[in-house]
Amino acid sequence: SQKIEQNSEALNIQEGKTATLTCNYTNYSPAYLQWYRQDPGRGPVFLLLIRENEKEKRKERLKVTFDTTLKQSLFHITASQPADSATYLCALEYSDTGKLIFGQGTTLQVKP
Amino acid sequence: DAGVIQSPRHEVTEMGQEVTLRCKPISGHNSLFWYRQTMMRGLELLIYFNNNVPIDDSGMPEDRFSAKMPNASFSTLKIQPSEPRDSAVYFCASSPSGGGANTGELFFGEGSRLTVL
Repeated sequence: SQKIEQNSEALNIQEGKTATLTCNYTNYSPAYLQWYRQDPGRGPVFLLLIRENEKEKRKERLKVTFDTTLKQSLFHITASQPADSATYLCALEYSDTGKLIFGQGTTLQVKP
Repeated sequence: DAGVIQSPRHEVTEMGQEVTLRCKPISGHNSLFWYRQTMMRGLELLIYFNNNVPIDDSGMPEDRFSAKMPNASFSTLKIQPSEPRDSAVYFCASSPSGGGANTGELFFGEGSRLTVL
C-alpha cells in the first residue's frame, strides 16, 4: 500500500536559519506533490505544488524539490522566523484515483 | 469568498447518538473531500466527491459512516451510532478542479471537533 513518511520528531531551529523538512514515499509514483501548513486548531493551508517533471519550485522564502528517483521531496524555509512555527504536511495525489493522501506532518519550532 | 464553511465547530455527544457534520464548499469548486485527523493516524481521507458524485469511499471506516452531497453547495457526514473511537477533528475541503487526476490545491475548512463520551 502507499506510504508517506515525514519526520515524526519536531524540528527545532534558530531564527534566521534554513529549515529543511523531508517527505518520503513508497510504492507509487505520484503525478505531483503538495505541501501544506497547519496551525493548531486550524485547517491545513496550501503552500506549494510541484509536478513530477519539475525538479524545484520556489515561492518567496519557500523552496520545494522533488526527486522521483529517490521518492523524496525536500521543503526548505530560508531565513526562518518564529511565525513559521507550525506543522507542515506533504500530500501526494495518486493519479489513477484522484485521491490526495497526506503524511503525518512535521512540527517546526523556530526560536528567536 | 467566505471559504469552506463547516458546522458545528465543536460537538460533544454520548456513545450511540447520531452525529451529523455539515460542509459548504467554496462556490464553483467541483470536488469535495472529507478527512479525519487524530494524533495517532494523522489526516485520513474518508471520501471524496466530484460534481456531487462519490468517487472513492474506501476510507470510510465502516457502515456507521455515511456521506452525502445532495447539491454542489452542501455535503454531510453522518455517524450513526457514534462510538468513543470516532472522536477526532473532521475536515471538509474543496478543490476547483474537476477531480480525477490533477486534483490540485485543496481549500480546507476549520474543522469540526467531535468528542464522543
